[in-house]
Amino acid sequence: GAVVSQHPSWVICKSGTSVKIECRSLDFQATTMFWYRQFPKQSLMLMATSNEGSKATYEQGVEKDKFLINHASLTLSTLTVTSAHPEDSSFYICSARAERIHSYNEQFFGPGTRLTVL
Amino acid sequence: AQKVTQAQTEISVVEKEDVTLDCVYETRDTTYYLFWYKQPPSGELVFLIRRNSFDEQNEISGRYSWNFQKSTSSFNFTITASQVVDSAVYFCALMDGNFNKFYFGSGTKLNVKP
Repeated sequence: GAVVSQHPSWVICKSGTSVKIECRSLDFQATTMFWYRQFPKQSLMLMATSNEGSKATYEQGVEKDKFLINHASLTLSTLTVTSAHPEDSSFYICSARAERIHSYNEQFFGPGTRLTVL
Repeated sequence: AQKVTQAQTEISVVEKEDVTLDCVYETRDTTYYLFWYKQPPSGELVFLIRRNSFDEQNEISGRYSWNFQKSTSSFNFTITASQVVDSAVYFCALMDGNFNKFYFGSGTKLNVKP
């Protein structure tokens, strides 16, 4: 149990286009999901917290108009990279917080999406 | 402020050697959680262990062991008799007591050579 999927697993797009990445909790409901970005050979940096039914909370320095987050249901959050540029090329990882599956609200990570912008 | 420091950027060992990955954390919370994740070249994070701030008991799982010491704010990870399959980037992470954000260290790349 507690599986999180991401789609697509990798995507290549042209500069200026928009790309949508989906994060799904497959066997549990997640009112809160998180989006991380990882540049090559670097650590994971939290971009935003996605809350079902409300606006996402963005970390300092993350452009909310460029990285659109929609948490449409208790099992799905999407991240749309608008007008992507080569500097947006990165590994994007989501995590979903399971409400009290165990004794605390554990987070489970998706497998990641590798975005390459040409 | 929450912070995790992994001072070792990269470590290379020969198979069957023991290796310890260091992790030092900073937090003002009394309740917090510490984690270790393995990230192989595929990129997917593999959960290894979680420890809460009230449980300083060391843990052993097969070839893996963890040493949690609140007095030095450290949560070190030891692999005994390393294997080539252990080659990966290992991340130490801290989570606040409200189960919100992960604070990841910069990661330690482990190379295990045959």
